[in-house]
Amino acid sequence: EVQLVESGGGLVQPGGSLKLSCAASGFTFSGSAMHWVRQASGKGLEWVGRIRSKPNSYATAYAASVKGRFTISRDDSKNTAYLQMNSLKTEDTAVYYCTRRIAVAGAYYGMDVWGQGTTVTVSS
Amino acid sequence: SYELTQPPSVSVSPGQTARITCSGDALPKQYAYWYQQKPGQAPVLVIYKDSERPSGIPERFSGSTSGTTVTLTISGVQAEDEADYYCQSADSSGTYVVFGGGTKLTVL
Repeated sequence: EVQLVESGGGLVQPGGSLKLSCAASGFTFSGSAMHWVRQASGKGLEWVGRIRSKPNSYATAYAASVKGRFTISRDDSKNTAYLQMNSLKTEDTAVYYCTRRIAVAGAYYGMDVWGQGTTVTVSS
Repeated sequence: SYELTQPPSVSVSPGQTARITCSGDALPKQYAYWYQQKPGQAPVLVIYKDSERPSGIPERFSGSTSGTTVTLTISGVQAEDEADYYCQSADSSGTYVVFGGGTKLTVL
């Protein structure tokens, strides 16, 4: 079964740091680009960033709202992607989803597998 | 920054056709994707590359494009289709992914 399982969410104070993990199973993780998407309570989906595969130099890109504060990485030997979040703000409070880029030629941005999400709360 | 614009809400009666639009300047250049999200659940991809349907998605879901607008059409709407729907694409450079604000589909 193709699956993504996020972990690492929790309560953190403003200015603090948190690292989320996304464990993948059931597919060739090393060949897949991975994205992070977040959703504040009652709000819409917001793209956070992505990391490409090794043949694409593990290239990363980030939304303007998190650039310079968040870092996406991956460990293909562990089939795991990570989201390191620093200098957290109250507006970063959201459910964070890990997603897989759909493996279809030309479909560069579609996300066909989503985790269940992990909740990050930034509050004093 | 690049934006995709969706209507906040659409309402239809069971058996009717629902159309949800999404507008963005880069849509003629970048494919659009559509997601369905039900309360408390993760989103599900229902359309990719403007009009392709993933396996397991009912045939009543279809997508189309015309200029700077893409449309998700749900034919013969069922009560179970009541959900939030999000379009998604990328900016003209292809670097940044963007989601529309979402459309709440209500089945009357």
